[in-house]
Amino acid sequence: QVQLVQSGAEVKKPGASVKVSCKASGYTFTNNAVHWVRQAPGQRLEWMGWINGGNGYTKYSQKFQDRVTFTRDTSASTAYMELSSLKSEDTAVYYCARARYDSSGYPTYAMDVWGQGTTVTISS
Amino acid sequence: QSALTQPPSASGSPGQSVTISCSGTSSDVGAYNYVSWYQQYPGKAPKLMIYEVSKRPSGVPDRFSGSKSGNTASLTVSGLQAEDEADYYCLSYTGSDNLVFGGGTKLTVL
Repeated sequence: QVQLVQSGAEVKKPGASVKVSCKASGYTFTNNAVHWVRQAPGQRLEWMGWINGGNGYTKYSQKFQDRVTFTRDTSASTAYMELSSLKSEDTAVYYCARARYDSSGYPTYAMDVWGQGTTVTISS
Repeated sequence: QSALTQPPSASGSPGQSVTISCSGTSSDVGAYNYVSWYQQYPGKAPKLMIYEVSKRPSGVPDRFSGSKSGNTASLTVSGLQAEDEADYYCLSYTGSDNLVFGGGTKLTVL
């Protein structure tokens, strides 16, 4: 079945960086994009951006574009999200999600399969 | 990009219908038919319920429906069931490959 499996929880100090992985299975990784979404404790979902699994094109939310980098390893069907200069406000659950395309291959700008989430805690 | 506006809470009794709104602008919700809705239980990942304003993925009950009028999209849950109690988020395309979520609505089944 189609699934995304994320790496485990992380605890980081302020100013450090964190890298979260998202391994895809059950579909052709290079045919879809992967979105990254985060959710701080008790807060709303927040879109961070996306990466095209095929050509590596990236789009970052303006809020994160100076601190976030998306990469992918097509041979491992895995997407990565690295966030730098971490602050306490970055404590959140980080999700990856597959972009949904219609039957003609056009994006629907929806996310149809989600990873289980990775908890990132920033603490000194 | 500011978050789309959703009511913080909504409620209804079993069997009733409830509608959750998602207000945006002429640059996001009003400009594109790329509004999707997600259901999220506490401590769980979101689940896609509606995409492209009104389309349902396979496996989503037809009790869930979506619509849009002007700059406001809506999710209607008919025949409310206890299992529908969850948080609901809307998501809209805003152009130039950008997306924005709503603030979320907690749906309570009385």
